[in-house]
Amino acid sequence: AQSVTQPDIHITVSEGASLELRCNYSYGATPYLFWYVQSPGQGLQLLLKYFSGDTLVQGIKGFEAEFKRSQSSFNLRKPSVHWSDAAEYFCAVAPRDDKIIFGKGTRLHILP
Amino acid sequence: EAGVAQSPRYKIIEKRQSVAFWCNPISGHATLYWYQQILGQGPKLLIQFQNNGVVDDSQLPKDRFSAERLKGVDSTLKIQPAKLEDSAVYLCASRRVHDTGELFFGEGSRLTVL
Repeated sequence: AQSVTQPDIHITVSEGASLELRCNYSYGATPYLFWYVQSPGQGLQLLLKYFSGDTLVQGIKGFEAEFKRSQSSFNLRKPSVHWSDAAEYFCAVAPRDDKIIFGKGTRLHILP
Repeated sequence: EAGVAQSPRYKIIEKRQSVAFWCNPISGHATLYWYQQILGQGPKLLIQFQNNGVVDDSQLPKDRFSAERLKGVDSTLKIQPAKLEDSAVYLCASRRVHDTGELFFGEGSRLTVL
C-alpha cells in the first residue's frame, strides 16, 4: 500500500537558520509529490509540487524540494527561515490513480 | 477567483446527535474531496467525487457518514449519529484538472463532539 512518512513530528530552528523537512514515500513507481503548509486555523496551501523533469523544484515563499528516486524522498528546504514560517507542513503523494495521500505532518517552531 | 467555501466553521454537538457540513468548490472544479483531519494527524481522505459521481469512498464510515454532490457543484457531508472520535476538522478540497491539478482547500469545519 502507498504511504508517506514524515519522520519528524516537531522541528525547532532559529530565525535565519536553514531548514530541511524530511519526507519518504512508499510506492512502486514515481508518484506526483507535493508539499503543503497549514497555518493555525487555516486550510492547506500548496508550497510546491513535482510531477516530472528537473528533480529540484522551486516553490512559493522561498521553499524548494528535491526529489531523489534512489531514496524515495522528497525533502523540503529553505535557506533562511522567517518567524512567519512557523506552521505545520505536510508532504503528500498522489499515485497516478488520482488519490492523494498525506503524511502526518511536521510542526515547525521558530526561535527568535 | 473565489476559493473553496465551507460552513459552518465550528460546530459543537453531543454524541449521538447529527451534523452536516457544506462545501462549495471553486467554480469549474470537477473533482471534490472531503478529508478528515484529527488533531496531530495528516488529512485522511473520506470521499472523492468527480462531478456528481463517487470515485472513492473506501475510507468513509458508511454506517454513520454520508456525502452527496447532487448537481456536481456543492457538496454536503453528514454524520449521524456522531461519536466522540469524530471530533476533527473536516476539510473540503477541489481540483480543476483530473490528473495533475493542484488541490485547493477550504478553511475547514471544526467539529467537537462532547
